Amino acid sequence: AQTVTQSQPEMSVQEAETVTLSCTYDTSENNYYLFWYKQPPSRQMILVIRQEAYKQQNATENRFSVNFQKAAKSFSLKISDSQLGDTAMYFCAFMTANQGGKLIFGQGTELSVKP
Amino acid sequence: DGGITQSPKYLFRKEGQNVTLSCEQNLNHDAMYWYRQDPGQGLRLIYYSQIVNDFQKGDIAEGYSVSREKKESFPLTVTSAQKNPTAFYLCASSIRTFLFYNEKLFFGSGTQLSVL
Repeated sequence: AQTVTQSQPEMSVQEAETVTLSCTYDTSENNYYLFWYKQPPSRQMILVIRQEAYKQQNATENRFSVNFQKAAKSFSLKISDSQLGDTAMYFCAFMTANQGGKLIFGQGTELSVKP
Repeated sequence: DGGITQSPKYLFRKEGQNVTLSCEQNLNHDAMYWYRQDPGQGLRLIYYSQIVNDFQKGDIAEGYSVSREKKESFPLTVTSAQKNPTAFYLCASSIRTFLFYNEKLFFGSGTQLSVL
């Protein structure tokens, strides 16, 4: 079975500092995709960043970047220059190429950015 | 504006009652999904549909039913057989292409279902 594990239920960071959220996954597939979604208090799910497993280069979106370690099945999210608006639940998610959009989610990490 | 609309935002169910959650999208997406979110947990897939008039069970389909009669609509019925329906329900959609690497899910704003 394919699983996604986020081992940090809660984290906090000071405004303007950097924080890293951890995610590990388990799969026997070789072709897959990894995502980080943000869910603010409004509960709207927002895609933060996406990584294709066949790409060695880590994905980057402005202040958000990932550290993708395929052999270790690790996919961490780094948020630089944290802002108050980054306060949210963050979910790591996984999709294989042959599952047509079926996302498997981790349990989530609740991030608080403190002024 | 293009997007996914879920209604109602809040819904209450009485014991033994079936309720239907609405999900409409105007993104011209082929695939649609229903996820359930419980407090402190990630999302779990209930049902999904990759094309009109076809749908498949997800990981927790028991007590739920869906239909996909139109491309833009994918309603979810929570039946009386679902004994613990209180949760936050999210609908999503995605474009289906042969160029899979562009695929990603767009989510609606959700419906909170509670039992009276």
